[in-house]
Amino acid sequence: DAGVIQSPRHEVTEMGQEVTLRCKPISGHNSLFWYRQTMMRGLELLIYFNNNVPIDDSGMPEDRFSAKMPNASFSTLKIQPSEPRDSAVYFCASRSSGNEQFFGPGTRLTVL
Amino acid sequence: AQSVTQLGSHVSVSEGALVLLRCNYSSSVPPYLFWYVQYPNQGLQLLLKYTTGATLVKGINGFEAEFKKSETSFHLTKPSAHMSDAAEYFCAVTGGGSARQLTFGSGTQLTVLP
Repeated sequence: DAGVIQSPRHEVTEMGQEVTLRCKPISGHNSLFWYRQTMMRGLELLIYFNNNVPIDDSGMPEDRFSAKMPNASFSTLKIQPSEPRDSAVYFCASRSSGNEQFFGPGTRLTVL
Repeated sequence: AQSVTQLGSHVSVSEGALVLLRCNYSSSVPPYLFWYVQYPNQGLQLLLKYTTGATLVKGINGFEAEFKKSETSFHLTKPSAHMSDAAEYFCAVTGGGSARQLTFGSGTQLTVLP
C-alpha cells in the first residue's frame, strides 16, 4: 500500500498566485481530511469529506480557500489568491470505516 | 464538543530514562483517544489508540498509554527513552457522531539527551 500521496511536497509561490495542493487517499478509504500545521496555531482541520461529499468546512479560513473531491481517489485544496500568512504545512489524511486516520507526508507551502 | 490539553510543550529526558507525556481530554461522549508521532519533515504516524476494552494500550516502539476515565487522562509512557524517540507527539480525541473527526492537542516536543 502506497499510503496517502500528496503533491507537490514543496511549493514556493508569490503572493497573489493560485496554489493547488493534491491528495490521493488510500484506496478503499471513504473519508478524507485536510489539515494545516503552523507553529502558531498547531494542527487545524480545514475540511473533511465523507464519500466524496464535504461534511464540514468550518475550518476553512476564508473564501480564498476551496477544496474539491471529484472522485474517491483524488482531492484538491486550492488557495486563490495566496497570501504570505498561508505559508504552512498542509496535510491530507484518509480513513476507512475504523477510527484511525492515515496521514500523508504533507506539502510545505511558502508564499513570498 | 471535544478538547485536548497536552501539558508541557517541550519535554527533555536522558537516554534510558522514563518518558512521560501528559494528555488530558474533555468529551461529551465516550472518547476514542489516540497518540500520534511526527518526525521532522514527515506526516503524523499513529503510535497507539484506545477505543473500548482494556484501558492499558500498547503501541509501536515500546510506547503505551492508559485511559483513566476518572482523571480524563491518556498519558503516554515508555520505560526507557531512545535517541530515535526524539520527535513531536500529539494526543487526539474523536468528536461525536458518525464522522468522528479528530481534535488534536498542541503537541509535545520530546528531546532525548545522550
